Amino acid sequence: DVKVTQSSRYLVKRTGEKVFLECVQDMDHENMFWYRQDPGLGLRLIYFSYDVKMKEKGDIPEGYSVSREKKERFSLILESASTNQTSMYLCASSLIAVLGGGEQYFGPGTRLTVT
Amino acid sequence: DAKTTQPPSMDCAEGRAANLPCNHSTISGNEYVYWYRQIHSQGPQYIIHGLKNNETNEMASLIITEDRKSSTLILPHATLRDTAVYYCIVRSVNTGNQFYFGTGTSLTVIP
Repeated sequence: DVKVTQSSRYLVKRTGEKVFLECVQDMDHENMFWYRQDPGLGLRLIYFSYDVKMKEKGDIPEGYSVSREKKERFSLILESASTNQTSMYLCASSLIAVLGGGEQYFGPGTRLTVT
Repeated sequence: DAKTTQPPSMDCAEGRAANLPCNHSTISGNEYVYWYRQIHSQGPQYIIHGLKNNETNEMASLIITEDRKSSTLILPHATLRDTAVYYCIVRSVNTGNQFYFGTGTSLTVIP
């Protein structure tokens, strides 16, 4: 089974702190994704990466950056955390899909609270 | 990607079939229909996907209408552990590997 792990289930940070959220997958997937999930808004894509050192902006990249130095690891960085970044953060990975397939496998999520 | 429309919530009796509808009337020829579900406080879980033929796996069946404008996810014998939010997603190969999740259908299985 694919396993996607995230460094923390719950995290509390102060406004202005730099925050690192780590995600690791063990299935040699090329693609990795970071989403945030908020009530009533569903999952929104922040950034994704289709290869080491490659990254693409999703729908809501403002206030975030990412790093992918190794294939299995994808980090989300909040340079200066703000209260509106309080959310559930979900990491996912997938194989590259040409036609069908490419289903994403998700980690358990990190619930971040910024005070 | 085509927009999908799902009812916000549904109930189903335990042991009965749960039929979750999804409308995707603007779907185009190269777009696949995917279903995911999210149990409370967990990450979403892939269930099934299809293009135009009906599909079945160990979790569910996917019925896609002939005109492909709608589909139904069927959980044949719902259990309490199937209580979750179910997302119907239409994805084009042209958008690479992104999935656009809406707000889904909250299914409650009632004992």
